[in-house]
Amino acid sequence: DTGVSQDPRHKITKRGQNVTFRCDPISEHNRLYWYRQTLGQGPEFLTYFQNEAQLEKSRLLSDRFSAERPKGSFSTLEIQRTEQGDSAMYLCASSPMGLTGELFFGEGSRLTVL
Amino acid sequence: QKEVEQDPGPLSVPEGAIVSLNCTYSNSAFQYFMWYRQYSRKGPELLMYTYSSGNKEDGRFTAQVDKSSKYISLFIRDSQPSDSATYLCAMKTNFGNEKLTFGTGTRLTIIP
Repeated sequence: DTGVSQDPRHKITKRGQNVTFRCDPISEHNRLYWYRQTLGQGPEFLTYFQNEAQLEKSRLLSDRFSAERPKGSFSTLEIQRTEQGDSAMYLCASSPMGLTGELFFGEGSRLTVL
Repeated sequence: QKEVEQDPGPLSVPEGAIVSLNCTYSNSAFQYFMWYRQYSRKGPELLMYTYSSGNKEDGRFTAQVDKSSKYISLFIRDSQPSDSATYLCAMKTNFGNEKLTFGTGTRLTIIP
C-alpha cells in the first residue's frame, strides 16, 4: 500500500486553459474527497464520493469545476477556463467505510495560474 | 465570522517545552474533533481524533474537547524539533455528513 497518489504534483498553466488532476486512493478505501488549500489557510472541502457516487458538493465547486470517479477507484478533478484565483493546492484524501473524519491525504497537486 | 477559529501563529518554543494549541468554533452541531499535522509541502496527516467532549491521550499528545465552551486543545509534551509543522484542527457534525471544516492552522517551530 503506497498511500494516496496525486498527479501531477505541480501544474503551471495560463489563464483560460483547462487542467485535470488525478487521484488514486488507497485501494480498499470506498470514500474519496477533494479539498482545496491556499497559502496560510486550512483545507476547504470541495466534494466527496462514496464509491462512484458523488454525494456532496461544496458551493465552492463552481460550474467550471467537475469531479468524477467513474469506476469507484481513481478520481479526476477538472477545472475549465482557469482563473488566477484557482491557484491553490488541490488535496485528495480517502477513507474506508466505517471511519468518519479520519482521512488519509495525498501530497497534493499545486496549481499555478499565470 | 468563520465557523472555526485558530491562531495562525507562528509559535516558537524551545525543545522540551509543553506546547498548547487551540481552536474555538461556533457551530454547536460539531461532534467529531480532529487534529491534523502538516509538514511543509506535504498533505495533512491525522494526529488525534476525539468524539464529543473529554480528553484523549496518545504518547506525548493530549487532545481536549470542551463542548460547553466550544473550545478544543492539543497539548504536546516534551516537544521535539521533529514536531515542527503546521497543526490544523478539524471538525465535523454527524456520522454520514463527511465534510470536515478546518481551522487555518498554527505554524509551530521547536527550537533545538
